[in-house]
Amino acid sequence: NAGVTQTPKFQVLKTGQSMTLQCAQDMNHEYMSWYRQDPGMGLRLIHYSVGAGITDQGEVPNGYNVSRSTTEDFPLRLLSAAPSQTSVYFCASSPGWGEGYTFGSGTRLTVV
Amino acid sequence: GENVEQHPSTLSVQEGDSAVIKCTYSDSASNYFPWYKQELGKGPQLIIDIRSNVGEKKDQRIAVTLNKTAKHFSLHITETQPEDSAVYFCAASQRPSGGSYIPTFGRGTSLIVHP
Repeated sequence: NAGVTQTPKFQVLKTGQSMTLQCAQDMNHEYMSWYRQDPGMGLRLIHYSVGAGITDQGEVPNGYNVSRSTTEDFPLRLLSAAPSQTSVYFCASSPGWGEGYTFGSGTRLTVV
Repeated sequence: GENVEQHPSTLSVQEGDSAVIKCTYSDSASNYFPWYKQELGKGPQLIIDIRSNVGEKKDQRIAVTLNKTAKHFSLHITETQPEDSAVYFCAASQRPSGGSYIPTFGRGTSLIVHP
């Protein structure tokens, strides 16, 4: 059981570049979410999914896209990177409501 | 939507002392309250949770209490040890019958335990 796997662990992008942060879980969890963590701001929800084919926006969705074609994978796409997107990104999954989330180890993204 | 306030933002204690972190929430429909511990360079990890039909839950040195009337819940750590040093997050969510069932997190408390 690998849990939640995020790749890459570190990434540096130039302003305007696009990229995809990968997230995969092997626990057959229905719920998956992407958070960004900035100093003093806690964990802010970007997008989430409650099952394959279902996604919705969180608190800070602008500049990001997601899709959920399988239960296992939930990639996060940065469309045109901006310095304001410099952050640590966490993917998390849960069996459903009323169950805790399992977090990945994070991706540290720097946009220059 | 749900709003979760967490206090204090930083807590410094001596080894062996107790530590208490408090959270308040705004939506009276919230009924699931997990706590997460995040060590440096790692993702948050669930350490304890409580549901609205329970007032208190304990797991060794960790306990969580819930006051639904006042809409607040607290994390209690007794006999603190240096390895308890981390950032702690509270969260609140509600059963999916309307409103958000994705947890809303507090901003975190940095706990420092001095040897």
